[in-house]
Amino acid sequence: EAGVAQSPRYKIIEKRQSVAFWCNPISGHATLYWYQQILGQGPKLLIQFQNNGVVDDSQLPKDRFSAERLKGVDSTLKIQPAKLEDSAVYLCASSAAGVWDTGELFFGEGSRLTVL
Amino acid sequence: TQLLEQSPQFLSIQEGENLTVYCNSSSVFSSLQWYRQEPGEGPVLLVTVVTGGEVKKLKRLTFQFGDARKDSSLHITAAQPGDTGLYLCAGPGAYSGAGSYQLTFGKGTKLSVIP
Repeated sequence: EAGVAQSPRYKIIEKRQSVAFWCNPISGHATLYWYQQILGQGPKLLIQFQNNGVVDDSQLPKDRFSAERLKGVDSTLKIQPAKLEDSAVYLCASSAAGVWDTGELFFGEGSRLTVL
Repeated sequence: TQLLEQSPQFLSIQEGENLTVYCNSSSVFSSLQWYRQEPGEGPVLLVTVVTGGEVKKLKRLTFQFGDARKDSSLHITAAQPGDTGLYLCAGPGAYSGAGSYQLTFGKGTKLSVIP
């Protein structure tokens, strides 16, 4: 079974530039998550999708971050304009379950962003 | 917000030693998960504990969920270099709607096992 695919693996940009990350979840997984992991910290949820609808985006900085999941499969996360503090690994995860009690999250390898 | 505090933050031990890492909260959790994250990779689920007092074993790893479901521990026996990684505990936090909860992570324990 193919895992969660993310691209690009690495991206270096200057502040105020824009960047987009792509995620392809495990086939059939209804729930998709984007997490931000700053060096030395645990992952922080940015946004959660159930199929193509947003379930939770309460921690997404909406003035600069946006995400979409067209057709309930692939997802993109965009940052525009980027700030220095956005330097982090952006992890995409998917889950077969919408209900917590049965939910194992499967993570991709992450996209490492460096903002100069 | 339900916070998970992990300790120690860093741990460096020799191969063959035993160790225990902790995950604590002031809140009650319906369940807790433990993930291991290797450098350059995403976290991978090790175990989910659901019942207070539950003990689960995964080869040399022993996971325990506190009786009050506010804390959990991970004990590794005879650590190997392959155990090196970031150990994260995670639990359901705020209700997200549509029958699911935000999965909240602790900051993790970074373990280095020296050959």
